[in-house]
Amino acid sequence: QQQVKQSPQSLIVQKGGISIINCAYENTAFDYFPWYQQFPGKGPALLIAIRPDVSEKKEGRFTISFNKSAKQFSLHIMDSQPGDSATYFCAASDGNNRKLIWGLGTSLAVNP
Amino acid sequence: GAVVSQHPSWVICKSGTSVKIECRSLDFQATTMFWYRQFPKQSLMLMATSNEGSKATYEQGVEKDKFLINHASLTLSTLTVTSAHPEDSSFYICSAGRTGGNQPQQFGDGTRLSIL
Repeated sequence: QQQVKQSPQSLIVQKGGISIINCAYENTAFDYFPWYQQFPGKGPALLIAIRPDVSEKKEGRFTISFNKSAKQFSLHIMDSQPGDSATYFCAASDGNNRKLIWGLGTSLAVNP
Repeated sequence: GAVVSQHPSWVICKSGTSVKIECRSLDFQATTMFWYRQFPKQSLMLMATSNEGSKATYEQGVEKDKFLINHASLTLSTLTVTSAHPEDSSFYICSAGRTGGNQPQQFGDGTRLSIL
């Protein structure tokens, strides 16, 4: 059973557009929700993370929106650039160094 | 720069050999390290969690005698794929969690393992 459901599986956005990726979780004990960016042949790199005590966190062009009651969180990439083309994973855990439960990933392509 | 170093980045070897992959935390002490396996266009699959000085905790379905994990120090964990076969070919990734504090896991750049 997939504990963190991620959608869409793939996404194509024009340069300058907004990329939106959604995740939903089931375990109410989760208290840490990171987003990772992965380029081919590389390990995932942390983009941004949020805890359930806030509803939104913004870092540069990346924003996480968090809805605790709906058990959903999303990543918004503003002004998407071709260099943002990568695979994005959401994850969840019940603490920083506890094991992460991963979404299945979203392949983002930003067209020039 | 990278705070978690994984070595080698790429290895090709014959079926039946054993392959060791190292994961080092470069500028912090890592009480906990995680080992993942990733197939093309798929998500990361946690194989095991290793804690310094104790036995690793393996996920269901992962053979502990096949994938030997050693976490002998706070900066080094190793994964040994024993008697590797073509079906073990995959991308193996480690991550390290800092001792204490409130910091997220840092990931290595992965090891591409190809068994001929």
